Amino acid sequence: GQQLNQSPQSMFIQEGEDVSMNCTSSSIFNTWLWYKQDPGEGPVLLIALYKAGELTSNGRLTAQFGITRKDSFLNISASIPSDVGIYFCAGQPGSNTGKLIFGQGTTLQVKP
Amino acid sequence: GAVVSQHPSWVICKSGTSVKIECRSLDFQATTMFWYRQFPKQSLMLMATSNEGSKATYEQGVEKDKFLINHASLTLSTLTVTSAHPEDSSFYICSATYWGDTEAFFGQGTRLTVV
Repeated sequence: GQQLNQSPQSMFIQEGEDVSMNCTSSSIFNTWLWYKQDPGEGPVLLIALYKAGELTSNGRLTAQFGITRKDSFLNISASIPSDVGIYFCAGQPGSNTGKLIFGQGTTLQVKP
Repeated sequence: GAVVSQHPSWVICKSGTSVKIECRSLDFQATTMFWYRQFPKQSLMLMATSNEGSKATYEQGVEKDKFLINHASLTLSTLTVTSAHPEDSSFYICSATYWGDTEAFFGQGTRLTVV
């Protein structure tokens, strides 16, 4: 089946540093989404990307939908302690379905 | 954004018993709901897709007779883990979407522990 390869698996950074993580797939996705999950909670949507090549920002977060529709990256600028958590990319293989394939997740730790 | 609520947030049950988890869309009509399972330090794995008024579609490897899904109304879907065993212990998360929208809204998850 379709799979997403997310990297890095984990990151430990200093407060104020920028962070970058990415996802790749061997198949095409129509939508790419980035979620953050805190322990014991469901994932919360950060950014949604709907068009190939699209670059979208949400505060300190920036994400891009790769032109080939097989990859996406998420950047976090000037990290703060509350950025700690697990970040997941997710791809939507179809349209108007809501069905998602998730990456393996990137665990982010921020040292104050 | 739209709100999806799961109940209970956590549950402990004895091996061999059944457990029902509810997923409700509080402020919109969810034409489709999805059930995911997440083991510790792992990603979310889709278990099944549930459309209101019809049978759920299960992903490969998910036992439909063990994980019973009912989506009887546009605001409620239930997942029943039947004859639970310790290996069923996991974090179960639902999401919901409505027709014509690609965004899915997630519940807060249910932690199931089978002892």
